[in-house]
Amino acid sequence: DIQMTQSPSSLSASEGDRVTITCQASDDIYNYLNWYQQKPGKVPKLLIYGASNLRTGAPSRFSGGGSGTDFTLTISNLQPEDFATYYCQQYENFPLTFGGGTKVEVK
Amino acid sequence: QVQLQASGPGLVKPSQTLSLTCTVSNGSFSRGDYYWSWIRQPAGRGLEWIGHIYATGDTNYNPSLKSRVTMSLDTSKSQFSLKLTSVTAADTAVYYCVRDYFGSGSYPRYNFYYMDVWGKGTTVTVSS
Repeated sequence: DIQMTQSPSSLSASEGDRVTITCQASDDIYNYLNWYQQKPGKVPKLLIYGASNLRTGAPSRFSGGGSGTDFTLTISNLQPEDFATYYCQQYENFPLTFGGGTKVEVK
Repeated sequence: QVQLQASGPGLVKPSQTLSLTCTVSNGSFSRGDYYWSWIRQPAGRGLEWIGHIYATGDTNYNPSLKSRVTMSLDTSKSQFSLKLTSVTAADTAVYYCVRDYFGSGSYPRYNFYYMDVWGKGTTVTVSS
């Protein structure tokens, strides 16, 4: 199985901040990576697919980058509704695997 | 707008079988445009993909659970189901049924593959 490691596991930030979350794969996954956002008590929502493609309707302050084994999710100008947990997920091979999550908290 | 709703017992005794059904409404369940997955999330923890089923009935399971998992579908009712045998407390989690979109390619390699519609999730507790 491909292991996905996210860092940090949590971070504190303020509204308006620029935040970057990293995701590292245990093997080359090319650009076969998605990012999801999950708020407490809610279901995960797709944010970015194929490493850098913003889902229709997702705010443009979210961006994804990287390829191979190292990926990033950046939130520019952090908004109150962005405080949530973020997960990366690879689909280069099955089983599909997720990172452990990064919780973005209010500073 | 397609909606998914999981249903089943919220409490299962250890060593018994967990059975859940997901009903798909307002969606193209029987068309071959999607896979249909089950994903679970223990309280306060991350997401684990259990497996998926295609419109043909073809299935793929997570090897960590493969010996205990069976998925099936009933296209006449727009439903797909999960059975997990010999459950323990470690199987306690919120279980989500999910629609997976895939792009061009063939299993197991697609240019895009993502979970685009999630059911609300159903909590299953394994306890005597």
